[in-house]
Amino acid sequence: DADVTQTPRNRITKTGKRIMLECSQTKGHDRMYWYRQDPGLGLRLIYYSFDVKDINKGEISDGYSVSRQAQAKFSLSLESAIPNQTALYFCATSERSNQPQHFGDGTRLSIL
Amino acid sequence: QQQVKQSPQSLIVQKGGISIINCAYENTAFDYFPWYQQFPGKGPALLIAIRPDVSEKKEGRFTISFNKSAKQFSLHIMDSQPGDSATYFCAAVNDYKLSFGAGTTVTVRA
Repeated sequence: DADVTQTPRNRITKTGKRIMLECSQTKGHDRMYWYRQDPGLGLRLIYYSFDVKDINKGEISDGYSVSRQAQAKFSLSLESAIPNQTALYFCATSERSNQPQHFGDGTRLSIL
Repeated sequence: QQQVKQSPQSLIVQKGGISIINCAYENTAFDYFPWYQQFPGKGPALLIAIRPDVSEKKEGRFTISFNKSAKQFSLHIMDSQPGDSATYFCAAVNDYKLSFGAGTTVTVRA
C-alpha cells in the first residue's frame, strides 16, 4: 500500500462546482503539504500544515481552502472551481523541516 | 517568480551517455538541495540530495555537484539507461519551504 494516498486520481468537473481532494498518509509524519503542478512551472505550494492545529497558506492559496482532520488526513477544497485551476495536485508529507518530502501519485483535475 | 532556475527544459541522450541538468538559485538561506524524479502518472520521488557544506555527492550513477559561491548545482546521470527517462526537478529548501525548478524531461534513446 502507498504511504501517501490521494483520492480521487482523476476528476472532471464544471466551473462553479465545489471539489474536495483528499490525502491520507501512513508514514506518521506531522507535516503535510498541498502542491499544484503546471507544465513549465514545476510544483507550487498551496497550503501546508505542521500539525492538526497549525495550518498555513503557501504561495498560491487564493481560491483554495484546506482541512486537517487528523494527523493522517489533509484535504484540499476548491469552493467554486474555475478553469485556471485545472492542474495536477499533489499531497506530500515530511517528518520535519529540511527533511525529504514524500509525495502521493497526484490528482489530475480538469475544470470545464 | 521562480526562486530556482532549471535548464534545459528537455534533453535527449543516447543509452550509455551522460545527462546533465543545471540549477541556479539566489536565496542564500536555502540549506538543503534535493533532486526529484517523476514518471508519468506518479508523484515526484526523492532521487538524491545534498547540503551546502558538501561539493559533491554520488549515489550509484547519479551525482550532484554543488558550487556554493556560484549558487549553482547540477545533476549528472552517468551511463544513462532507458529506464532513466523521466522528468527531473531540482529543488531548494529553506526550513519547511520547498522551491522547485521548472523540470527537465530526459529521454534516453536505446
